[in-house]
Amino acid sequence: GQQLNQSPQSMFIQEGEDVSMNCTSSSIFNTWLWYKQDPGEGPVLLIALYKAGELTSNGRLTAQFGITRKDSFLNISASIPSDVGIYFCAGRPSGAGSYQLTFGKGTKLSVIP
Amino acid sequence: DADVTQTPRNRITKTGKRIMLECSQTKGHDRMYWYRQDPGLGLRLIYYSFDVKDINKGEISDGYSVSRQAQAKFSLSLESAIPNQTALYFCATSDPGTSGRGTYNEQFFGPGTRLTVL
Repeated sequence: GQQLNQSPQSMFIQEGEDVSMNCTSSSIFNTWLWYKQDPGEGPVLLIALYKAGELTSNGRLTAQFGITRKDSFLNISASIPSDVGIYFCAGRPSGAGSYQLTFGKGTKLSVIP
Repeated sequence: DADVTQTPRNRITKTGKRIMLECSQTKGHDRMYWYRQDPGLGLRLIYYSFDVKDINKGEISDGYSVSRQAQAKFSLSLESAIPNQTALYFCATSDPGTSGRGTYNEQFFGPGTRLTVL
Protein backbone atom coordinates (compact mmCIF):
# COMPACT_ATOMS: atom_id res chain seq x y z
CA GLY A 1 0.00 0.00 0.00
CA GLN A 2 0.89 3.65 0.07
CA GLN A 3 3.59 4.76 2.46
CA LEU A 4 4.32 8.12 3.99
CA ASN A 5 7.81 8.96 5.14
CA GLN A 6 7.69 11.36 8.04
CA SER A 7 10.78 13.09 9.35
CA PRO A 8 12.38 13.59 11.66
CA GLN A 9 11.32 10.66 13.82
CA SER A 10 12.03 12.69 16.95
CA MET A 11 13.39 16.07 17.90
CA PHE A 12 14.46 17.89 21.03
CA ILE A 13 14.20 21.66 20.94
CA GLN A 14 14.55 24.56 23.29
CA GLU A 15 11.41 26.42 24.31
CA GLY A 16 10.91 29.39 22.01
CA GLU A 17 12.53 27.77 18.98
CA ASP A 18 10.73 27.13 15.71
CA VAL A 19 10.08 23.56 14.56
CA SER A 20 9.79 22.06 11.10
CA MET A 21 8.74 18.57 10.12
CA ASN A 22 7.67 17.02 6.85
CA CYS A 23 5.96 14.12 5.19
CA THR A 24 6.80 12.72 1.77
CA SER A 25 5.39 10.10 -0.54
CA SER A 26 6.41 8.52 -3.81
CA SER A 27 2.86 9.00 -5.15
CA ILE A 28 0.38 11.85 -5.43
CA PHE A 29 -1.97 12.74 -2.59
CA ASN A 30 -5.21 14.75 -2.82
CA THR A 31 -5.49 15.61 0.86
CA TRP A 32 -2.99 16.19 3.64
CA LEU A 33 -3.92 16.26 7.31
CA TRP A 34 -1.80 16.98 10.35
CA TYR A 35 -2.65 15.53 13.77
CA LYS A 36 -1.17 15.84 17.25
CA GLN A 37 -1.34 13.02 19.79
CA ASP A 38 -0.74 13.60 23.49
CA PRO A 39 0.27 10.66 25.70
CA GLY A 40 -2.74 8.48 26.52
CA GLU A 41 -5.02 10.34 24.12
CA GLY A 42 -6.25 10.06 20.56
CA PRO A 43 -4.93 12.11 17.64
CA VAL A 44 -6.40 15.59 17.38
CA LEU A 45 -6.77 17.21 13.96
CA LEU A 46 -4.67 20.37 13.65
CA ILE A 47 -4.77 21.37 10.00
CA ALA A 48 -6.34 20.04 6.79
CA LEU A 49 -5.01 20.85 3.30
CA TYR A 50 -6.84 20.18 0.03
CA LYS A 51 -5.05 22.04 -2.74
CA ALA A 52 -1.50 21.92 -4.06
CA GLY A 53 0.43 24.94 -2.81
CA GLU A 54 -2.12 25.68 -0.09
CA LEU A 55 -0.68 27.28 3.03
CA THR A 56 -2.87 27.17 6.15
CA SER A 57 -2.28 28.41 9.68
CA ASN A 58 -3.79 27.48 13.01
CA GLY A 59 -2.32 29.77 15.67
CA ARG A 60 1.42 29.14 15.82
CA LEU A 61 1.10 26.18 13.43
CA THR A 62 1.46 26.51 9.68
CA ALA A 63 1.18 23.69 7.19
CA GLN A 64 1.69 23.56 3.44
CA PHE A 65 0.49 21.20 0.71
CA GLY A 66 3.51 20.68 -1.52
CA ILE A 67 3.33 21.80 -5.15
CA THR A 68 4.24 18.33 -6.39
CA ARG A 69 1.38 16.88 -4.26
CA LYS A 70 3.86 14.38 -2.90
CA ASP A 71 4.77 16.18 0.29
CA SER A 72 3.56 18.39 3.11
CA PHE A 73 5.25 20.45 5.79
CA LEU A 74 4.29 21.51 9.30
CA ASN A 75 5.96 24.39 11.09
CA ILE A 76 5.50 25.39 14.72
CA SER A 77 6.70 28.82 15.69
CA ALA A 78 7.93 29.87 19.14
CA SER A 79 7.48 26.43 20.71
CA ILE A 80 6.09 26.10 24.22
CA PRO A 81 6.08 23.11 26.62
CA SER A 82 2.52 22.09 25.72
CA ASP A 83 3.64 21.48 22.13
CA VAL A 84 5.17 18.23 23.38
CA GLY A 85 3.62 15.19 21.74
CA ILE A 86 3.63 13.11 18.59
CA TYR A 87 2.71 14.80 15.32
CA PHE A 88 1.27 12.63 12.57
CA CYS A 89 0.72 13.42 8.94
CA ALA A 90 -2.04 11.64 7.06
CA GLY A 91 -3.08 11.79 3.46
CA ARG A 92 -5.58 10.49 0.96
CA PRO A 93 -3.81 9.07 -2.08
CA SER A 94 -5.03 10.12 -5.50
CA GLY A 95 -7.63 7.60 -6.67
CA ALA A 96 -8.26 6.23 -3.20
CA GLY A 97 -11.68 6.09 -1.58
CA SER A 98 -12.73 9.00 0.60
CA TYR A 99 -12.40 6.84 3.70
CA GLN A 100 -8.80 5.86 2.99
CA LEU A 101 -6.16 7.73 4.92
CA THR A 102 -2.52 6.71 4.97
CA PHE A 103 -0.71 7.72 8.16
CA GLY A 104 2.91 8.58 8.75
CA LYS A 105 4.69 7.03 11.71
CA GLY A 106 4.92 10.30 13.59
CA THR A 107 7.43 12.88 14.79
CA LYS A 108 7.94 12.89 18.54
CA LEU A 109 8.55 16.43 19.75
CA SER A 110 10.18 17.20 23.08
CA VAL A 111 10.48 20.80 24.30
CA ILE A 112 13.14 21.72 26.82
CA PRO A 113 12.00 24.59 29.06
CA ASP B 1 -19.80 18.88 23.62
CA ALA B 2 -19.89 16.90 20.41
CA ASP B 3 -17.43 14.10 21.02
CA VAL B 4 -16.17 10.60 20.35
CA THR B 5 -16.02 8.39 23.42
CA GLN B 6 -14.57 4.93 23.88
CA THR B 7 -15.06 2.33 26.60
CA PRO B 8 -13.20 0.86 28.31
CA ARG B 9 -10.10 3.06 28.32
CA ASN B 10 -7.91 0.22 29.52
CA ARG B 11 -8.43 -3.53 29.46
CA ILE B 12 -6.26 -6.48 30.39
CA THR B 13 -7.47 -9.89 29.30
CA LYS B 14 -6.23 -13.40 28.73
CA THR B 15 -5.62 -15.31 25.53
CA GLY B 16 -8.81 -16.85 24.16
CA LYS B 17 -11.22 -14.44 25.84
CA ARG B 18 -13.87 -12.54 23.91
CA ILE B 19 -13.51 -8.78 24.16
CA MET B 20 -15.76 -5.95 22.99
CA LEU B 21 -14.62 -2.36 22.64
CA GLU B 22 -17.31 0.27 22.29
CA CYS B 23 -17.43 3.62 20.57
CA SER B 24 -20.09 6.30 20.76
CA GLN B 25 -20.23 9.69 19.05
CA THR B 26 -22.35 12.78 19.37
CA LYS B 27 -20.95 14.47 16.25
CA GLY B 28 -23.82 13.25 14.08
CA HIS B 29 -21.33 11.78 11.61
CA ASP B 30 -22.39 8.91 9.37
CA ARG B 31 -18.94 7.37 8.92
CA MET B 32 -17.15 5.50 11.68
CA TYR B 33 -13.82 3.70 11.75
CA TRP B 34 -11.74 1.40 13.95
CA TYR B 35 -7.95 1.70 13.92
CA ARG B 36 -5.14 -0.06 15.67
CA GLN B 37 -1.93 1.73 16.71
CA ASP B 38 1.30 -0.13 17.36
CA PRO B 39 4.66 1.46 18.18
CA GLY B 40 6.61 2.12 15.01
CA LEU B 41 3.74 1.06 12.73
CA GLY B 42 1.42 4.03 12.86
CA LEU B 43 -2.35 3.74 12.56
CA ARG B 44 -3.86 0.89 10.59
CA LEU B 45 -7.52 0.58 9.57
CA ILE B 46 -9.38 -2.49 10.87
CA TYR B 47 -13.00 -1.84 9.77
CA TYR B 48 -15.08 1.07 8.59
CA SER B 49 -18.78 1.80 8.23
CA PHE B 50 -20.47 4.44 6.10
CA ASP B 51 -23.87 3.93 7.72
CA VAL B 52 -25.79 1.45 9.85
CA LYS B 53 -26.21 -1.03 7.00
CA ASP B 54 -22.72 -0.69 5.60
CA ILE B 55 -19.70 -2.51 7.07
CA ASN B 56 -16.38 -2.88 5.28
CA LYS B 57 -13.08 -4.57 6.03
CA GLY B 58 -9.98 -2.47 6.31
CA GLU B 59 -6.32 -3.30 6.02
CA ILE B 60 -6.10 -5.70 9.00
CA SER B 61 -9.55 -7.17 9.71
CA ASP B 62 -8.53 -10.77 10.43
CA GLY B 63 -9.34 -11.72 14.03
CA TYR B 64 -11.78 -8.82 14.46
CA SER B 65 -15.48 -8.21 13.87
CA VAL B 66 -17.65 -5.13 14.21
CA SER B 67 -21.24 -4.14 14.80
CA ARG B 68 -22.90 -0.81 13.91
CA GLN B 69 -25.80 -0.75 16.32
CA ALA B 70 -26.90 2.78 15.47
CA GLN B 71 -25.57 5.82 13.69
CA ALA B 72 -23.84 6.83 16.89
CA LYS B 73 -22.46 3.45 17.99
CA PHE B 74 -19.79 1.22 16.49
CA SER B 75 -18.36 -1.75 18.41
CA LEU B 76 -15.23 -3.78 17.78
CA SER B 77 -15.00 -7.39 18.95
CA LEU B 78 -12.10 -9.76 19.34
CA GLU B 79 -13.74 -13.18 19.33
CA SER B 80 -10.72 -14.98 20.75
CA ALA B 81 -8.02 -12.56 21.82
CA ILE B 82 -4.36 -13.35 21.19
CA PRO B 83 -1.24 -11.60 22.53
CA ASN B 84 -0.33 -9.95 19.22
CA GLN B 85 -3.62 -8.04 19.43
CA THR B 86 -2.13 -6.07 22.30
CA ALA B 87 -2.28 -2.48 21.04
CA LEU B 88 -3.99 0.89 21.28
CA TYR B 89 -7.38 0.90 19.56
CA PHE B 90 -8.97 4.09 18.24
CA CYS B 91 -12.42 4.82 16.95
CA ALA B 92 -12.83 7.71 14.52
CA THR B 93 -15.68 9.45 12.71
CA SER B 94 -16.04 11.60 9.62
CA ASP B 95 -18.77 13.57 7.89
CA PRO B 96 -19.43 12.95 4.17
CA GLY B 97 -19.86 16.68 3.69
CA THR B 98 -21.37 18.43 0.75
CA SER B 99 -18.66 20.86 -0.28
CA GLY B 100 -16.13 20.20 -2.96
CA ARG B 101 -13.40 20.92 -0.47
CA GLY B 102 -13.31 17.30 0.61
CA THR B 103 -13.89 17.71 4.33
CA TYR B 104 -15.12 14.14 4.40
CA ASN B 105 -11.47 13.17 4.56
CA GLU B 106 -11.16 14.71 8.00
CA GLN B 107 -11.40 12.03 10.67
CA PHE B 108 -11.94 12.76 14.35
CA PHE B 109 -10.59 10.32 16.89
CA GLY B 110 -11.72 9.07 20.27
CA PRO B 111 -9.36 8.86 23.27
CA GLY B 112 -8.46 5.23 22.63
CA THR B 113 -8.56 1.90 24.44
CA ARG B 114 -5.33 0.33 25.62
CA LEU B 115 -5.78 -3.44 25.29
CA THR B 116 -3.34 -5.95 26.74
CA VAL B 117 -3.75 -9.65 25.97
CA LEU B 118 -1.74 -11.91 28.26
